[in-house]
Amino acid sequence: KQEVTQIPAALSVPEGENLVLNCSFTDSAIYNLQWFRQDPGKGLTSLLLIQSSQREQTSGRLNASLDKSSGRSTLYIAASQPGDSATYLCAVRPEGGNEKLTFGTGTRLTIIP
Amino acid sequence: DTEVTQTPKHLVMGMTNKKSLKCEQHMGHRAMYWYKQKAKKPPELMFVYSYEKLSINESVPSRFSPECPNSSLLNLHLHALQPEDSALYLCASSLIGAETQYFGPGTRLLVL
Repeated sequence: KQEVTQIPAALSVPEGENLVLNCSFTDSAIYNLQWFRQDPGKGLTSLLLIQSSQREQTSGRLNASLDKSSGRSTLYIAASQPGDSATYLCAVRPEGGNEKLTFGTGTRLTIIP
Repeated sequence: DTEVTQTPKHLVMGMTNKKSLKCEQHMGHRAMYWYKQKAKKPPELMFVYSYEKLSINESVPSRFSPECPNSSLLNLHLHALQPEDSALYLCASSLIGAETQYFGPGTRLLVL
């Protein structure tokens, strides 16, 4: 059974700093990995998706990397802003075309103005 | 239109009530999902519909009954729920075989 873990569970950093969020998964047989953000009490917003054959994806100040063989992904946020405060979730989709996503435990990020 | 809508936003129900949650999208997505999310926990998949047919049921109790009446609508019928069923219920949709799932804002359910 796939297990996805995110460390740390919570992180507070001053505005303007660069930061890295981590995601680990136990079964490397994944089709892709996706990073989401979730504001309190709200739905999820997709940030970046990395296919299993890719090493990284970038969108604006966000960069996500994937090391499938070691079961790890990182989300790098450059020049953090208070609006980046949210919970960040990674999710993996298994090989074989199954639509099921398995979510990580999440990292609650607070950017201090 | 790139939006998934869910109604109601909030719902309070007693353990003997029957209620329904509704999800709608007009993006032409033929895969639709229900997730349950408890506070400070990640979403957990409940059901997946593909081409309006139930394709995945993650061993969800029968007091939750999904329905997909057409390609744009997804319902979750609730009956005889327990207080531990209180959670945020999220709906999502995607193209079949596509990667990105689009999530609605959720319905916050409280069972008394």
